[in-house]
Amino acid sequence: EVQLVESGGGLVQPGGSLRLSCAASGFTFSRYWMSWVRQAPGKGLEWVANIKEDGGETAYLDSVKGRFTISRDNAKKSLYLQMDTLRAEDTALYYCARDKDVGPSLLDFWGQGTLVTVSS
Amino acid sequence: DIQMTQSPSSLSASVGDRVTITCRASQTINNYLNWYQQKPGKAPNLLIYGASSLKSGVPSRFSGSGYGTYFTLTINSLQPEDFAIYYCQKSDRTPLTFGGGTKVEIK
Repeated sequence: EVQLVESGGGLVQPGGSLRLSCAASGFTFSRYWMSWVRQAPGKGLEWVANIKEDGGETAYLDSVKGRFTISRDNAKKSLYLQMDTLRAEDTALYYCARDKDVGPSLLDFWGQGTLVTVSS
Repeated sequence: DIQMTQSPSSLSASVGDRVTITCRASQTINNYLNWYQQKPGKAPNLLIYGASSLKSGVPSRFSGSGYGTYFTLTINSLQPEDFAIYYCQKSDRTPLTFGGGTKVEIK
């Protein structure tokens, strides 16, 4: 059974940092791209970043470029999102999702999310 | 960047109704379009990928169509468990933009 479990969320002041983690199990983690998607309270879904299976390629939403860094450790079957210089508008539930192995993106398994609140 | 626009933003329907949700891309995305369902307090669930391919295990009352800039998600014979928010997402290249969502409510 595919499982994705996020952790690391919490309350942080504007300008602060957080590192989110996503522990994967039930599939060959090193074969898949992985994505982070967020959802602000009461709002829609917003794709944040993704990373190639070997970590050799990454992409970001424009509004987080230069502030967020996606990474992975295939030996630990884990995905990460380092979030720096956080802003109030980054407040959201952050989901980790399994992306494609080949072909176009498709987010076929999701974790339950970890909540990030940016507030003073 | 390509923008994704869904309509309507919400609709009311009865059990047994046929419901159609539309998604428009601001530029052509061929058939690189996915649909997700999200129920309250839950993570999204992939329904359809490649505009018209049903994910394994998804009921056949869900169907998708379209190509280029215009896409539809149709639910035939709406069931109580289908009341949720539906999102389209472009899947060709980053940014993997989602539509704003369509909330399907009980009439």
